[in-house]
Amino acid sequence: DAGVTQSPTHLIKTRGQHVTLRCSPISGHKSVSWYQQVLGQGPQFIFQYYEKEERGRGNFPDRFSARQFPNYSSELNVNALLLGDSALYLCASSLGPWTTSTDTQYFGPGTRLTVL
Amino acid sequence: AQKVTQAQTEISVVEKEDVTLDCVYETRDTTYYLFWYKQPPSGELVFLIRRNSFDEQNEISGRYSWNFQKSTSSFNFTITASQVVDSAVYFCALSEAEGNNRLAFGKGNQVVVIP
Repeated sequence: DAGVTQSPTHLIKTRGQHVTLRCSPISGHKSVSWYQQVLGQGPQFIFQYYEKEERGRGNFPDRFSARQFPNYSSELNVNALLLGDSALYLCASSLGPWTTSTDTQYFGPGTRLTVL
Repeated sequence: AQKVTQAQTEISVVEKEDVTLDCVYETRDTTYYLFWYKQPPSGELVFLIRRNSFDEQNEISGRYSWNFQKSTSSFNFTITASQVVDSAVYFCALSEAEGNNRLAFGKGNQVVVIP
């Protein structure tokens, strides 16, 4: 079975531009979460979507937005890019809207964004 | 608010030695979930093991074992008989039980296994 997939793998943008990152969850998973990981740090939670509804939002500015489609895939959009947005963006999928004794988040390979 | 602390940054061990990674967490919830993930140089976070706050016993899975101490809010992870393929960054993470499945991660431990 395919795991979580993300595209593109790498991306280079300049300050002020807009970027869209894409994620497809594991088949049967209805929840998608996005995390930002800057170099040398642990991942930071950005958003969670479940059944196309936003379930959680981390401490990120409004330049960050996301949505989930009927097939449970998701897009993360970042407007007006800043140098500090350079990071690895990770997508995770899980079955349900919250962690349970058996539901675990599985991560994709990430999209490495460089802002020049 | 949930918080995870991993104090050590880089740990070097010789192949076949055991390596233990420390994790201390903070949460106000009585039900919560703890995880260890591995991040090799490729970047993908790989799920290793998990522990629910209400589980009774610590467990072993292959070369991995973990020690959950609720009294000290610690969730330590041990790799037995380390191998070169174990070289990676290891993250401890916490999820609380309500609202969403947000994971709070520590800063990670870089493990280098020397052949």
